[in-house]
Amino acid sequence: GAGVSQSPSNKVTEKGKDVELRCDPISGHTALYWYRQRLGQGLEFLIYFQGNSAPDKSGLPSDRFSAERTGESVSTLTIQRTQQEDSAVYLCASSSSGPGTQYFGPGTRLLVL
Amino acid sequence: GIQVEQSPPDLILQEGANSTLRCNFSDSVNNLQWFHQNPWGQLINLFYIPSGTKQNGRLSATTVATERYSLLYISSSQTTDSGVYFCAVISSTGNQFYFGTGTSLTVIP
Repeated sequence: GAGVSQSPSNKVTEKGKDVELRCDPISGHTALYWYRQRLGQGLEFLIYFQGNSAPDKSGLPSDRFSAERTGESVSTLTIQRTQQEDSAVYLCASSSSGPGTQYFGPGTRLLVL
Repeated sequence: GIQVEQSPPDLILQEGANSTLRCNFSDSVNNLQWFHQNPWGQLINLFYIPSGTKQNGRLSATTVATERYSLLYISSSQTTDSGVYFCAVISSTGNQFYFGTGTSLTVIP
């Protein structure tokens, strides 16, 4: 498959636990975005990676959220000490250069009990 | 950040009807995209259209950047067109995509 993949597809966790979400972008895509989508709502920007530049973290809602990307490959989004309001679908998108045409993964549905 | 407003918020169409979805944005942009989110949650890019007009089958889009709006036209709608249509923009000075709240379209047979 040549698309963006995300894992796990679904994650149920208990309040206070840490979770790690993974995104595999399309090969060769230098730009990678993470978004959060709460039920029935639009997408909220979380973080943007472009090549080896410092990421744009301006959308991260709190210091419990962090993300890493190794070069131009896999990215992980980590949520520490999860809260019930973190329950949402977390979507990853990649594009070939800068903020160009984005291709989305299927998302990870996170439920915090 | 940029404010992105979409209208109408909800739309119900009879199969075969045409529709126009609108996206207004509050500042100059260098990137505008239309997406369709199907009932299973998958987001599909429809158009990358910071300006001008594009067509793809029954869909077309027009962005008038100087007047800060974009229109998505759906002709001869089909039940598979159902879902939520999002407009997303990036300002001329930033990297961050701002999404509208979407138009929820239901096409009934």
